[in-house]
Amino acid sequence: GNSVTQMEGPVTLSEEAFLTINCTYTATGYPSLFWYVQYPGEGLQLLLKATKADDKGSNKGFEATYRKETTSFHLEKGSVQVSDSAVYFCALIGSYIPTFGRGTSLIVHP
Amino acid sequence: NAGVTQTPKFQVLKTGQSMTLQCAQDMNHEYMSWYRQDPGMGLRLIHYSVGAGITDQGEVPNGYNVSRSTTEDFPLRLLSAAPSQTSVYFCASSYQGRLFFGSGTQLSVL
Repeated sequence: GNSVTQMEGPVTLSEEAFLTINCTYTATGYPSLFWYVQYPGEGLQLLLKATKADDKGSNKGFEATYRKETTSFHLEKGSVQVSDSAVYFCALIGSYIPTFGRGTSLIVHP
Repeated sequence: NAGVTQTPKFQVLKTGQSMTLQCAQDMNHEYMSWYRQDPGMGLRLIHYSVGAGITDQGEVPNGYNVSRSTTEDFPLRLLSAAPSQTSVYFCASSYQGRLFFGSGTQLSVL
């Protein structure tokens, strides 16, 4: 079956630091890949997505590239802000049932 | 545009009580689902529906029932609440692989 593995958190960074959150997946076929973000007390919301190999999703300074050869979809941001503190979920969808990673908590200090 | 609306936001139950968590969406999405979120466990799929009149079990269905009489509504019923069902519950609808989440229901079972 499908699975998603994310690096465990929390990830603690200072403001303006570079962020990488690793995500690897196992899936049959050609899934679409997603990053969702969950701010405290809220539901998840879509951050970015990529639907085929070598696609790069980007939003709000975050980027992730669909790497089929390494089955990865790592999330990156060049300069994080305190407001980026949240939980980040990597997910894939093959048929119609999404598979989520366990989430990575990001804490950004001023 | 309301999106996905969940009620209530908070609920406290005693062991053995029953209740229904409400979920409604106004985007005419066919796919809807219920998740529970527990610390360190990420999101776990309880039940899902691919259209009115069609429901199926997810990863952790025991103790929960669902029905889908209309496209808009997808209520989750706890038949006899147990402390193990203390969690945050999210309803989501989906379109073209992208999930739209409600803001969650925080449930405590004493």
